[in-house]
Amino acid sequence: DVQLTQSPSSLSASVGDRVTITCRASQNIRSYLNWYQQIPGKAPNLLISLVSSLQSGVPSRFSGSGSGTEFTLTISNLQPEDFAFYYCQQSFNTPRTFGQGTKVEIK
Amino acid sequence: QEQLDQSGAELKKPGASVKVSCKASGYEFTDRYVNWVRQAPGQAPEWMGWINPYSQETKYADKFRGRVTMTIDTSTSTAYVELRSLRFDDTAVYYCARLGTSHGFDLWGQGSMITVS
Repeated sequence: DVQLTQSPSSLSASVGDRVTITCRASQNIRSYLNWYQQIPGKAPNLLISLVSSLQSGVPSRFSGSGSGTEFTLTISNLQPEDFAFYYCQQSFNTPRTFGQGTKVEIK
Repeated sequence: QEQLDQSGAELKKPGASVKVSCKASGYEFTDRYVNWVRQAPGQAPEWMGWINPYSQETKYADKFRGRVTMTIDTSTSTAYVELRSLRFDDTAVYYCARLGTSHGFDLWGQGSMITVS
């Protein structure tokens, strides 16, 4: 199984900050990496697919990059509604696996 | 409007079975795989498997093989997941999620809380 390791597990930031979350894969997954945002009590919401393709309706302050085994999610100009959990997920093979998550908190 | 509507919360005893439903609307149901993902309290999501609504072919995660069955009723555009021999650590929110054309899960149900106690 592909193991995905996110870092950091949590971070504190202020409105307007730029934050970066890293996701490392245990093997080469090419560009099959997706990012989700989850508000507690709600279902995950797909933000970015295939490393950098922004889903319709997702603000442009979200961006993704990387390939192979190292990937990043960047949120520029953090907004109050961005304080949530973020998960990476690989779609290279089955079982589909998720990272353990990153909690973005208000400083 | 594309939507996945799931059945409600359930309380089960250890050893029992549970069947969760997921009714799709607003899109061509047979065009996209339906995945089942569960999330235990405070944990990351965990993929259980998928079903192709067109062929009814299934793929299960090894962890659940033998205990899980995913089925489809195309007449009502509804997917089902049944989990048997429930254990305390099966307590989780169970989600159905559509596999998008870009390989991510682009549409999710609201979740069904299953408590084993």
